[in-house]
Amino acid sequence: EAGVAQSPRYKIIEKRQSVAFWCNPISGHATLYWYQQILGQGPKLLIQFQNNGVVDDSQLPKDRFSAERLKGVDSTLKIQPAKLEDSAVYLCASSLEGRAISGANVLTFGAGSRLTVL
Amino acid sequence: GEDVEQSLFLSVREGDSSVINCTYTDSSSTYLYWYKQEPGAGLQLLTYIFSNMDMKQDQRLTVLLNKKDKHLSLRIADTQTGDSAIYFCAESVVASGGSYIPTFGRGTSLIVHP
Repeated sequence: EAGVAQSPRYKIIEKRQSVAFWCNPISGHATLYWYQQILGQGPKLLIQFQNNGVVDDSQLPKDRFSAERLKGVDSTLKIQPAKLEDSAVYLCASSLEGRAISGANVLTFGAGSRLTVL
Repeated sequence: GEDVEQSLFLSVREGDSSVINCTYTDSSSTYLYWYKQEPGAGLQLLTYIFSNMDMKQDQRLTVLLNKKDKHLSLRIADTQTGDSAIYFCAESVVASGGSYIPTFGRGTSLIVHP
């Protein structure tokens, strides 16, 4: 099966500019996640969608970050305006079912979008 | 502080066993996971264990869980140079509404030298 697709792979912008990342999850996966991974740290959850509804966005800096998942498939993550500390890899992941019904919640990750803010 | 803690580095000789340790804080975690990240790539699931189990073995991988101490370990037998990567421990906490919220540690860099 096709994996999680993300674009662009790399992006360099100046501070105060805007940037958008796109993610196409695995077909049929109801849950989609955006993580921020700063160099040397583990992934930090920014936002979790169940279909096209937001499950958790408590760690999303809403003054500058926004995300949407229209039609419950693809998702975009936008940063406007960017700050130096936003330099990171933005990982998109999806899972079949993010709810505690049964079984483990196995996430499949994309390769990530590396953002450098100058 | 971090919800999931791991040591940052581990260096082993090829052919030896590697043991990567992790501690977590939330006793309600139902599943605990180990993911592997190679340079320039996303995270890839290696294995997971249900919280009512003590041990799980999968080929060269052995996961041990001490629920009382909230301690998880991953043992890689006969470590190869291709095992060099960053290994992340993760827990899934059930949030209100019944959804899983996965939380990752900072990762342990495993370096395998000949």
